Amino acid sequence: NAGVTQTPKFQVLKTGQSMTLQCAQDMNHNSMYWYRQDPGMGLRLIYYSASEGTTDKGEVPNGYNVSRLNKREFSLRLESAAPSQTSVYFCASGPFAGVNSPLHFGNGTRLTVT
Amino acid sequence: GIQVEQSPPDLILQEGANSTLRCNFSDSVNNLQWFHQNPWGQLINLFYIPSGTKQNGRLSATTVATERYSLLYISSSQTTDSGVYFCAVGGEDSNYQLIWGAGTKLIIKP
Repeated sequence: NAGVTQTPKFQVLKTGQSMTLQCAQDMNHNSMYWYRQDPGMGLRLIYYSASEGTTDKGEVPNGYNVSRLNKREFSLRLESAAPSQTSVYFCASGPFAGVNSPLHFGNGTRLTVT
Repeated sequence: GIQVEQSPPDLILQEGANSTLRCNFSDSVNNLQWFHQNPWGQLINLFYIPSGTKQNGRLSATTVATERYSLLYISSSQTTDSGVYFCAVGGEDSNYQLIWGAGTKLIIKP
């Protein structure tokens, strides 16, 4: 039982390049989330998916797109990376749809945009 | 929106000591979670505790929703307890948005 798996662990991009961060969970959870964490700060929600087939914007969605490919997988895409997107990205999942769901996190992707 | 304040911001203790971390929030919540981020960056869910008291080994948490605070107790600290402890809350009118505190950085010295 791997929990929440994120790939890659590290990535360096040049400004303007694109990439997709992958996330998969094997806990049969309904909801999935993408967060970013900047130095010295708590987490900020980028996008979430309440259930397979639905996605919604969080607090900081600009510059990102997401796809809930199936119940297990939720990917985050940066179409044209900017230095302001340098951050650590965490994927999370929860058993329930909605805010009353205990979250389980992946180990994060450290992204640097130069 | 809801404001979340954690205190203290930093805490340095010797191994074996006990500690209490506090999370204050400004409005009614129906979700409160405590997380530990270890020095390697991993985020571990410690407690889902919108009200009441829970215990898990050396850790316990109490949320007094009517007074808008939660406490995380760590007893007999070990060096592996080092890291940042976050409190995150979900308001009654938020749907999926958790509001995160700035964290308490805990260092346990051997």
